[in-house]
Amino acid sequence: DIQMTQSPSTLSASVGDRVTVTCRASQSINNWLAWYQQKPGKAPKLLIYKASSLESGVPSRFSGSGSGTEFTLTISSLQPDDFATYYCQQYNSYSWTFGHGTKVEIK
Amino acid sequence: QVQLVESGGGVVQPGRSLRLSCVASGFNISNYGVHWVRQAPGKGLEWVAVTWYDGSNNWYADSVKGRFTISRDNSKSTLFLEMDSLKVGDTAIYYCARGRNRWFPLDYWGQGTLVTVSS
Repeated sequence: DIQMTQSPSTLSASVGDRVTVTCRASQSINNWLAWYQQKPGKAPKLLIYKASSLESGVPSRFSGSGSGTEFTLTISSLQPDDFATYYCQQYNSYSWTFGHGTKVEIK
Repeated sequence: QVQLVESGGGVVQPGRSLRLSCVASGFNISNYGVHWVRQAPGKGLEWVAVTWYDGSNNWYADSVKGRFTISRDNSKSTLFLEMDSLKVGDTAIYYCARGRNRWFPLDYWGQGTLVTVSS
């Protein structure tokens, strides 16, 4: 299976901060990478697909970049609603895999 | 609107079986891949399995291969997950989720159903 490594595991930030989360794949996944946001007790929500395409209805402060094995999720100006856990996921192989998650906490 | 509603969770002893269901509405399930994803209490997400379109092509995570069987009944807009030889480590919330096609991730999710494997 392709392993997905996210960093950091926890991130403390303030409203208005620029936040970056990194995801590394154990082998090339081309651009078949998604980012999800999950809040406690809720199902995940799709934010980004194909590494950099914004899902419909997702605020433009969210952006994704990268290719091959290195990817980033950036929140340009952190809002109160953005405190949550973020997961990357590869869907290149026949066995899809998630990263372990990055929890964005209030500083 | 698109909805996915899971059911069938509960408490089961190790080694026993359980069958989960997921009823879809608001879209034609036969045009989509439908997945199961699980989340152990306090842990991250783990992709479990997918059934594509007519159900003839199914993929599984190594952790469940040979024990879990995914299937679908398009006439009833329903997805199933038959879980055999359950282990304590299978304890999790099980979500069903929709993927638009092979090259698109999971755009709609259900609310999940909790499976607890315990003696």
